[in-house]
Amino acid sequence: GQQVMQIPQYQHVQEGEDFTTYCNSSTTLSNIQWYKQRPGGHPVFLIQLVKSGEVKKQKRLTFQFGEAKKNSSLHITATQTTDVGTYFCAGLTSGTYKYIFGTGTRLKVLA
Amino acid sequence: DAMVIQNPRYQVTQFGKPVTLSCSQTLNHNVMYWYQQKSSQAPKLLFHYYDKDFNNEADTPDNFQSRRPNTSFCFLDIRSPGLGDAAMYLCATSRGGALAGGTQYFGPGTRLTVT
Repeated sequence: GQQVMQIPQYQHVQEGEDFTTYCNSSTTLSNIQWYKQRPGGHPVFLIQLVKSGEVKKQKRLTFQFGEAKKNSSLHITATQTTDVGTYFCAGLTSGTYKYIFGTGTRLKVLA
Repeated sequence: DAMVIQNPRYQVTQFGKPVTLSCSQTLNHNVMYWYQQKSSQAPKLLFHYYDKDFNNEADTPDNFQSRRPNTSFCFLDIRSPGLGDAAMYLCATSRGGALAGGTQYFGPGTRLTVT
């Protein structure tokens, strides 16, 4: 079946360092979403990418969708302690309303 | 203003005792999802409704059932909870579209404990 993998699984960074998580799907996606889940919380929508090669920015966050629409990345510049949490990508299979969540990357930021 | 509401937030049930979790939404979205999330894992889709059409995941146990009596409400019934069913249960909604399912809005979740 379809799988969406994320690497790394865990990342510890010093505050101020950059962070990147990568998302790879075994099948082509119609779109990809990114979510952030704080410890003890629920996933909160960050952004959606639809077009091949699309790049979107939200302040210190940069999101990219691969040309083949099978991979994506989230880059955080100059991390802050408020960035702590688990970042999930979720890929939408073409023709369905079904999202497949990636395995997640847990980010810890050391002050 | 709460948009996706889940009740209760915490539920303790006994092994084998049926339990129902509820979800309601004020977004008037036509798609509703139920996810199971265990500690340190990704949310796992159990099933979803597109309007009244029910879509079950192939690996969702028969022990899990769902009902959607109207657009606003959706229920998750666990007929005979086992210890392995202890998890966070997340409800989400989206406005379905031709190409994309749209943004998913998650409720705060119900944490189920099975004793």
